[in-house]
Amino acid sequence: ETGVTQTPRHLVMGMTNKKSLKCEQHLGHNAMYWYKQSAKKPLELMFVYNFKEQTENNSVPSRFSPECPNSSHLFLHLHTLQPEDSALYLCASSQALARAGNTIYFGEGSWLTVV
Amino acid sequence: RKEVEQDPGPFNVPEGATVAFNCTYSNSASQSFFWYRQDCRKEPKLLMSVYSSGNEDGRFTAQLNRASQYISLLIRDSKLSDSATYLCVVNMWDTGRRALTFGSGTRLQVQP
Repeated sequence: ETGVTQTPRHLVMGMTNKKSLKCEQHLGHNAMYWYKQSAKKPLELMFVYNFKEQTENNSVPSRFSPECPNSSHLFLHLHTLQPEDSALYLCASSQALARAGNTIYFGEGSWLTVV
Repeated sequence: RKEVEQDPGPFNVPEGATVAFNCTYSNSASQSFFWYRQDCRKEPKLLMSVYSSGNEDGRFTAQLNRASQYISLLIRDSKLSDSATYLCVVNMWDTGRRALTFGSGTRLQVQP
């Protein structure tokens, strides 16, 4: 059983819809991340949160809006997405940020299809 | 040049074979290195860290060459269950990155 839980596991949404992805970690970690994985591309970092404060936004379009109410929960709010946004969205957490060389643990991901 | 570059494969090998994957990284200030494994339609999971002196974990051996900015993973006596994509991962903290940087992965298919 993973210590990082993501819901929903699968989501199909229209381009005019608004939906949210949810992530919860049960590991007592302080850093949380959103990554995007498209077919045949490397994992792309989207956002980094440390102690619920955003420390990195990797030039992500504003149609993706993250929210981190506390160190255990992370959301990704989605609105007016494009078909090319269809991908696997992975949430991850680590004890601290990358500097300390901490292991990063991933959730099982949310498969998003935009139609 | 990609920040972390890997041969995408696929590498198709018979059971029992030895297979090696290579990875190069662009930033010489990179501090720590890892190999992750990702099964089909699953999340990536840590396989092993890579230490400067090289390290071994059972059938898996990781090597680091800082001068050449090169990392390798050797798998001996391949098992069917080793079939997966292997991701080379680099910590580039000194470039301002606050998270790990992933390569696009090398796919391994072990055949009976």
